Amino acid sequence: TQLLEQSPQFLSIQEGENLTVYCNSSSVFSSLQWYRQEPGEGPVLLVTVVTGGEVKKLKRLTFQFGDARKDSSLHITAAQPGDTGLYLCAGLAGTYKYIFGTGTRLKVLA
Amino acid sequence: NAGVTQTPKFRVLKTGQSMTLLCAQDMNHEYMYWYRQDPGMGLRLIHYSVGEGTTAKGEVPDGYNVSRLKKQNFLLGLESAAPSQTSVYFCASRSLRGTAGYTFGSGTRLTVV
Repeated sequence: TQLLEQSPQFLSIQEGENLTVYCNSSSVFSSLQWYRQEPGEGPVLLVTVVTGGEVKKLKRLTFQFGDARKDSSLHITAAQPGDTGLYLCAGLAGTYKYIFGTGTRLKVLA
Repeated sequence: NAGVTQTPKFRVLKTGQSMTLLCAQDMNHEYMYWYRQDPGMGLRLIHYSVGEGTTAKGEVPDGYNVSRLKKQNFLLGLESAAPSQTSVYFCASRSLRGTAGYTFGSGTRLTVV
């Protein structure tokens, strides 16, 4: 069974601070995605990474896929209250479906 | 653009009752999915479909049935609801492209008492 563990589970920081969220597995994934979910809504795709070592930037968010394609990280620079939400990583398991991580709940205080 | 639409948004059931959750997508996506989300457990796959008329079991299929009679619709049924099925249910769809992301609906909050 493929599992994705995220850490930390909860994170509460002040506006302007930097943070990193981790997504780890013992399995290799052909691609990995990050989603953000706000209360009462479904997750929304942020990024897809497919190559080991790949780094993608989305404004203040930086995503990295591990060289061995077993782990990933999400780094937020100068966090803002609008970054508050549940962050989920998801790895492609086979051809059709993604397996989701346990999630990191982020709260950014103004 | 409607994307993925789920109905109903909220429902309270008594133990043993049955119901059907409806999911409709207007993006012509081949693949459709039903997930449940519980605190501290992320999203767990219940059933999925890779095309009209086909369905497959996910991680937690027991107590649920699905049907995909039309490409744009994916129905999730609970034949005899149990309190353990209290959860938030999300439908999602994605295209055939290998690394395409999911488009999720806004969820159905189900409480079984």
